[in-house]
This record gives sequence, C-alpha cells and structure tokens, in this order.
Amino acid sequence: EVYLVESGGAVVQPGESLTLSCTASGFPFGKYNMHWIRQRPGKGLEGVSIIRNDGGQIGYADSVKGRFTISRDNSKNSLYLQMNSLRSDDSGLYICAKDSPNGSIEHWGQGTLVSVSS
Amino acid sequence: DLEMTQSPLSLPVTLGQSASISCRSGRSLVSSDGNTYLNWLQQRPGQSPRRLIYQVSNRDSGVPDRFSGSGSGTDFTLKISRVEADDVAVYYCMQGIGWPYTFGQGTKLEIE
Repeated sequence: EVYLVESGGAVVQPGESLTLSCTASGFPFGKYNMHWIRQRPGKGLEGVSIIRNDGGQIGYADSVKGRFTISRDNSKNSLYLQMNSLRSDDSGLYICAKDSPNGSIEHWGQGTLVSVSS
Repeated sequence: DLEMTQSPLSLPVTLGQSASISCRSGRSLVSSDGNTYLNWLQQRPGQSPRRLIYQVSNRDSGVPDRFSGSGSGTDFTLKISRVEADDVAVYYCMQGIGWPYTFGQGTKLEIE
C-alpha cells in the first residue's frame, strides 16, 4: 500500500522560510514524478510544484516561482519543498502526491499545515 | 498556469436525481500522444482528495457506475446519476497536461 507522510509544517512569520518533507513508501519512489499540492483554508486545490522522477525537470505555479524550491532524494524515498519569503497567502495544508503515468494523481498524503502570520 | 473553470460552484441536488458539473480548460488537453488528460476528483469533508475518473471517462476501481465523465478538447462534464447521501463532497476537475497540474475551483454538491 502507498503511504505518503508529510512533515515540517509550522507557524511562521511573513518573510521567513520553511522546509517541508514527504516520506514515501509502498512503491518504487524513484520511478514516479511527485507533486506538492496546497489547499488554503476553506478553499480549493492548487498545484504548487511537480518534479520528474529523476529530478531533471521541475515545474512551479506562478504564485510561488522564485520563492519555492522542490527537490527529492530517491535514496531516502523523500520529497522536499523549500519555501522562502513566505506570505500570509501561502498559509494552508500542503499535500504530497504521487503522479500517475496517465497524467493524473492517484495517491495523496494527509498534508502538513503551514500558517504564515505576524 | 493552465486555467480550469468549473460550473456551477454550488450544486443542490435532491436524493435520487442526477447532477452535472462542467469544466472548461484554457487550452486543449489533448496530448501529443493522443490522450486527453482530464481528471475528476472527489473530496469529502475532512478527507484527502480521491480520484474518480482519469483521461476524461475512465472510472477508477471501486467508483460506482453512477459516475460518468465525458467531453473532449477543452470542455468536459462529470455526471452523477441517482445521487446518494454519500456523494456529498466537493468535486474538482484537474488537468494533467501542463506543469504543474491545475484544478477547477471545485463544485460543492449538497443534498436539498
């Protein structure tokens, strides 16, 4: 069974940095593209970033480009999201998700909560 | 980012009746491989999203055949027949052709 467990969420002040982690198990991590998806409080889903299975291609939402960095360590079955210059509208639940070969997402984590507030 | 637009955003439905949700993408979701990468997700209160349908019309294992997807190019529809109480959720369309994947605003289905 696929497990995706996020960690690292915290309450931080605007302008600060935070790194999120996702530990994966139950599938060959190094063979799959991975996503970070966020859900602001009471709002919908937003694709934040995606990384190819080998780390060789990366995509970011316009809203986080230049501030967030996605990375992965296939030897540790882990996905990361480095978030800099955090703003109040970055607050939300950050969910790690496993890509599916048919242009889809089939497995989702439970998420880790980030709150940016002064 | 590739924009996805859903309607309606709120959908009150009587038990046993049908419901229909529309999704429009900012550009064609037909890939160079000939596949169309449009998905439908269900998010029940307090839960992570669950995929219902991929590539427009393919139902995931365990999804009732009351759920059906259709459409092509930039216009897509999710139809739920014989709505049940268990269908109360927010439904999202999601495109899987552009990076990062993007989502519609969500349609909240409620029982009236």
